[in-house]
Amino acid sequence: IVMTQSPVTLSVSPGESATLSCRASQSVNSNLAWYQQKPGQAPRLLMYGASIRATGIAARFSGSGSGTEFTLTISSLQSEDFAVFFCQQYDAWPRTFGQGTKVEIK
Amino acid sequence: EVYLVESGGGLVKPGGSLRLACSASGFTFSTYGMNWVRQAPGKGLEWVSSVSGNSHHIQYADSVRGRFTISRDNAQNSLFLQMDSLRAEDTAIYYCVRDLHDDWFDSWGQGTLVTVSS
Repeated sequence: IVMTQSPVTLSVSPGESATLSCRASQSVNSNLAWYQQKPGQAPRLLMYGASIRATGIAARFSGSGSGTEFTLTISSLQSEDFAVFFCQQYDAWPRTFGQGTKVEIK
Repeated sequence: EVYLVESGGGLVKPGGSLRLACSASGFTFSTYGMNWVRQAPGKGLEWVSSVSGNSHHIQYADSVRGRFTISRDNAQNSLFLQMDSLRAEDTAIYYCVRDLHDDWFDSWGQGTLVTVSS
């Protein structure tokens, strides 16, 4: 299953919201996770089940979608939110990731 | 708290071998699936291999099948990746990653760098 993320880069001002998209080449049901990766760090789980926040993740992160179309929304971006975000499907083998969306400061 | 600490990375020549290890603590290791995920320099994430808690179910990416072998020792809370016939394109940071039951990756180690170069 090919996962395609858009846009590649998103320039956002602090306090604004950001909407990231992830599309699967075939249905993955709701078996979709989002990860955040900051420079020099390992990825961190943000969301699973397409819309369930992982433990300790701020409420400004929300996820939606099912089937082939998914969205991660970050409301009121904080300085610590600027990073690269990856989606990943766990509906089928092999597990596959999107290529990532970089959210940068505008 | 969950801790996953990788070791064994380094510089190896094409065609060579390397064995990565991951030491786990802070959870009941045998009840979780474990994975290796890699990231080439400046690139995205690529799932490499998975092993179930009892080692009965193992999966590999096509890019490594036949060259890499995943294994685990539940008595020692350890995960391994034996990498043979290494290629330049295997150069990456290799992360040890936990999942509960063939699902999302909920905990990641800090990674170990493998460089394949002559």
